[in-house]
Amino acid sequence: DTGVSQNPRHKITKRGQNVTFRCDPISEHNRLYWYRQTLGQGPEFLTYFQNEAQLEKSRLLSDRFSAERPKGSFSTLEIQRTEQGDSAMYLCASGPQTSSGNTIYFGEGSWLTVV
Amino acid sequence: GDSVTQMEGPVTLSEEAFLTINCTYTATGYPSLFWYVQYPGEGLQLLLKATKADDKGSNKGFEATYRKETTSFHLEKGSVQVSDSAVYFCALSPRNSGNTPLVFGKGTRLSVIA
Repeated sequence: DTGVSQNPRHKITKRGQNVTFRCDPISEHNRLYWYRQTLGQGPEFLTYFQNEAQLEKSRLLSDRFSAERPKGSFSTLEIQRTEQGDSAMYLCASGPQTSSGNTIYFGEGSWLTVV
Repeated sequence: GDSVTQMEGPVTLSEEAFLTINCTYTATGYPSLFWYVQYPGEGLQLLLKATKADDKGSNKGFEATYRKETTSFHLEKGSVQVSDSAVYFCALSPRNSGNTPLVFGKGTRLSVIA
């Protein structure tokens, strides 16, 4: 069983450019989450999908951020017109429909540096 | 709203020392509680969990007991190793909110010295 896969692992971009991250969840997991983590902080929730439906979005997810999960499998997170404050690690996590205590499993993250 | 408070780090211990990392929570109802570990440059790995009061989660020598009366879920290990050096996150999942996203603490960095 492969784990949650994220790519690219690292991305350096100039301010104002668009970036896209991809997440492949554990197969058959219908729940998928995106979190953001900055240095010295815990993960902060961004958005959540159940199958292809985006069920919840954090107020952290500004209009420049968009996430999709078109076929209920992989997901993409796009950031438009990047700003230096977007520099962070973007974490994806997935979980099965029913799991003890709402357990989720994380990928290794995608580091974004905006210069 | 729901929140998790962890002891501030960094925590520096000698190999084979006893470890305690404190975690307390605020939540309505009875949440599920988790500890995740993050090694340098990596994502978070689930370390252990407890889903109801008085449950004890354990894994790799780490333990934590869900204490409803003190709203705590302290992480302990009897004898730490250098390989345990990492950042540890306490998290909760609200009980009655379906698949509501986990809420994380800020993390506690542990450094173990040989």
